Amino acid sequence: AQSVTQLDSQVPVFEEAPVELRCNYSSSVSVYLFWYVQYPNQGLQLLLKYLSGSTLVKGINGFEAEFNKSQTSFHLRKPSVHISDTAEYFCAVGRTGSGNTGKLIFGQGTTLQVKP
Amino acid sequence: KAGVTQTPRYLIKTRGQQVTLSCSPISGHRSVSWYQQTPGQGLQFLFEYFSETQRNKGNFPGRFSGRQFSNSRSEMNVSTLELGDSALYLCASSLEGGALDGYTFGSGTRLTVV
Repeated sequence: AQSVTQLDSQVPVFEEAPVELRCNYSSSVSVYLFWYVQYPNQGLQLLLKYLSGSTLVKGINGFEAEFNKSQTSFHLRKPSVHISDTAEYFCAVGRTGSGNTGKLIFGQGTTLQVKP
Repeated sequence: KAGVTQTPRYLIKTRGQQVTLSCSPISGHRSVSWYQQTPGQGLQFLFEYFSETQRNKGNFPGRFSGRQFSNSRSEMNVSTLELGDSALYLCASSLEGGALDGYTFGSGTRLTVV
């Protein structure tokens, strides 16, 4: 069975500092990888996704992530965070094929707390 | 282009009652998925509808059901509500439901069972 592990439940960081949110996944087959952000009392907004090709993926709001197949990781990074980046971040895995349509497996989430 | 619309945004129900939540997908999207989000269990897949048929299902009891209409709008129903059903219910739409399409989420319906 697939699983997604977000290695940190909370990440406190000062404004303008760099940040990395870590995500590992387990799957014996090819997967598609996503990062979503959730602000309080809102739904999920897609930050970026890896489907194929270049392992470095750039997303919105200055975020990027690197797919590492050998380490089965998909860590999210931002070189300089802002107060407005304070939110919960979810890593998710999707697969193709029947039985997987419409379905993402999510990690437990990482709360990013940006301090002034 | 309008996003995914979920109504209502908030609901308070009593144990034993039933509830219906609505999701209108992005125009042209034919797949609608539903998720339950709770602090303890996180985000869990409920089911997916495509062309008015349930195509995929998660591991939830039969009290959770859904349907999809010809215009791709979807409803989710929970019968005999339990306190543990209190959650944020999110729907997501995509073109055909495949992971390659990507999924766009609505803002959710916050259900509180008292």
